[in-house]
Amino acid sequence: RKEVEQDPGPFNVPEGATVAFNCTYSNSASQSFFWYRQDCRKEPKLLMSVYSSGNEDGRFTAQLNRASQYISLLIRDSKLSDSATYLCVTGSYQLTFGKGTKLSVIP
Amino acid sequence: SQTIHQWPATLVQPVGSPLSLECTVEGTSNPNLYWYRQAAGRGLQLLFYSVGIGQISSEVPQNLSASRPQDRQFILSSKKLLLSDSGFYLCAWSGPSGPGGSYEQYFGPGTRLTVT
Repeated sequence: RKEVEQDPGPFNVPEGATVAFNCTYSNSASQSFFWYRQDCRKEPKLLMSVYSSGNEDGRFTAQLNRASQYISLLIRDSKLSDSATYLCVTGSYQLTFGKGTKLSVIP
Repeated sequence: SQTIHQWPATLVQPVGSPLSLECTVEGTSNPNLYWYRQAAGRGLQLLFYSVGIGQISSEVPQNLSASRPQDRQFILSSKKLLLSDSGFYLCAWSGPSGPGGSYEQYFGPGTRLTVT
């Protein structure tokens, strides 16, 4: 069974903190890797793609380790608006979604 | 730019009633289309996907069906709803499959279905 495993959290962090999420995936044939963000009662939205070389988008850094089948997301200088559930996603034309890690950024 | 529409936004239906949810995509041709369900407190479950008109693949056997009558239209249906069909139904699209194809999926706003 193809699965993506994430710590459900919640992660409660103060504003300005750095927080890291990890996930592991079981399908070694996966070709694409993403982090999505889902706000309460809303649709998931693509946050960023993840590459083996690592990639950064502002305060967000994602990393892929194919050998360990491990994906990470680092959020620096957390904002209140970062509060959401973060979904780790792998696959190709069919994507497998993790159940998500809930982040609450506290004033 | 591409946009994806779903309707209705919310729906309350009695057990045994029929269902029809519609999804349309604008600004792209020959997209892959997907129906997902997200039950309360759970992850996304892929229900159906389609790579072209009339081509539907089912991931989970159940009382739901899907159709793709036009390139950018995807419909989810049921003849008789069950209580367990309650959930958040999401339609998504991605670029066409194939070498160099982009696999990220983009979601519509979803339909929140409550079966009573």
